[in-house]
Amino acid sequence: GEDVEQSLFLSVREGDSSVINCTYTDSSSTYLYWYKQEPGAGLQLLTYIFSNMDMKQDQRLTVLLNKKDKHLSLRIADTQTGDSAIYFCAESADSWGKFQFGAGTQVVVTP
Amino acid sequence: DVKVTQSSRYLVKRTGEKVFLECVQDMDHENMFWYRQDPGLGLRLIYFSYDVKMKEKGDIPEGYSVSREKKERFSLILESASTNQTSMYLCASTTREAGANVLTFGAGSRLTVL
Repeated sequence: GEDVEQSLFLSVREGDSSVINCTYTDSSSTYLYWYKQEPGAGLQLLTYIFSNMDMKQDQRLTVLLNKKDKHLSLRIADTQTGDSAIYFCAESADSWGKFQFGAGTQVVVTP
Repeated sequence: DVKVTQSSRYLVKRTGEKVFLECVQDMDHENMFWYRQDPGLGLRLIYFSYDVKMKEKGDIPEGYSVSREKKERFSLILESASTNQTSMYLCASTTREAGANVLTFGAGSRLTVL
């Protein structure tokens, strides 16, 4: 079945760039997403990219999509302590709006 | 802004008790979802509903049921809670944004079964 994989942990210094990677298996995915979860909260949509795009930039966030390798990445420029959270990669391919989520990457930003 | 409200943030129940988790959305969305979140496993879909009184099983429906009597309300029911159902439960609804399905989540309900 469909699978979304991402590394579980990333530590980054404040001010550096963070790169979170994700791979997926469903080649029919039409949109790919990044969600952020802060402690004690639900998931909040950060950004998404249509599968026929290679890149999308939104302020400090850059999403890169390599459809051939089924690889998605999220780059956060000038990482701040407020960026400490769990980041989920997700894909959606069906009309019901069902999503497949990765396990989440815990990002810890150190001063 | 779309709001998805989960009425219970923290619950502690005993094994065998019946548990109701309520979720309400205020934007007339048709599709609503219940996920459970466990560390290292991400989010797993329990049930979803695409209309009033309609429900579809997700990836892990065993031990759960759902109810959707009104469009805005989607309830998750644990008929007889067990310790392996201790988890964070997340409700969500979807809207379309420039062709993409966008999930909006509630804040979550953390359930502990003793």
